[in-house]
Amino acid sequence: GAGVSQSPSNKVTEKGKDVELRCDPISGHTALYWYRQSLGQGLEFLIYFQGNSAPDKSGLPSDRFSAERTGGSVSTLTIQRTQQEDSAVYLCASSLEPTAGNTIYFGEGSWLTVV
Amino acid sequence: AQSVAQPEDQVNVAEGNPLTVKCTYSVSGNPYLFWYVQYPNRGLQFLLKYITGDNLVKGSYGFEAEFNKSQTSFHLKKPSALVSDSALYFCAVRDGNSGTYKYIFGTGTRLKVLA
Repeated sequence: GAGVSQSPSNKVTEKGKDVELRCDPISGHTALYWYRQSLGQGLEFLIYFQGNSAPDKSGLPSDRFSAERTGGSVSTLTIQRTQQEDSAVYLCASSLEPTAGNTIYFGEGSWLTVV
Repeated sequence: AQSVAQPEDQVNVAEGNPLTVKCTYSVSGNPYLFWYVQYPNRGLQFLLKYITGDNLVKGSYGFEAEFNKSQTSFHLKKPSALVSDSALYFCAVRDGNSGTYKYIFGTGTRLKVLA
């Protein structure tokens, strides 16, 4: 696609429910990143994919968070048993390759509210 | 470890005046530096980056940034601010030598251009 596409754009869920957030990167981009942006905070790195593998998942805050990528394209971030502190904007980004100088391009984000 | 600091939470400038948004960084290897802009309820848009070469890099919407190795800074500048430049600005760094794939972001600086 023309840009990074994320869905849903907004999600309100009850505490304790599971949620899935989807990211469709720019076509041909092999590197994919998930970040979390909490209100008034900067961007917190969650996980990085190269192809379907995740060499760096050091930013996942707890074992309630998991992510996968299939076909070297679409990625899904799953949050189990959601808590109120999970409320944030979840941003996905992609780049052609993980070369250090490459620009990462962001989607519009998925705004998650846990009530 | 990589880190980025944006010392100002907010910068106010009058329309038509020059603007500067500050960023300092820390990496163990060669820095790759980026600026992004975020408008309300939107994802991050890429503005410009420094990889190597000329210390002054030019980007979108008339923005430029100066890489200063001795001061480990990468300040964003624009000669004449527009009201439409009002947004949240993020500086990011990636360490070219460490084998890490993370892009580390600052906490953001809110720019307010006053008419």
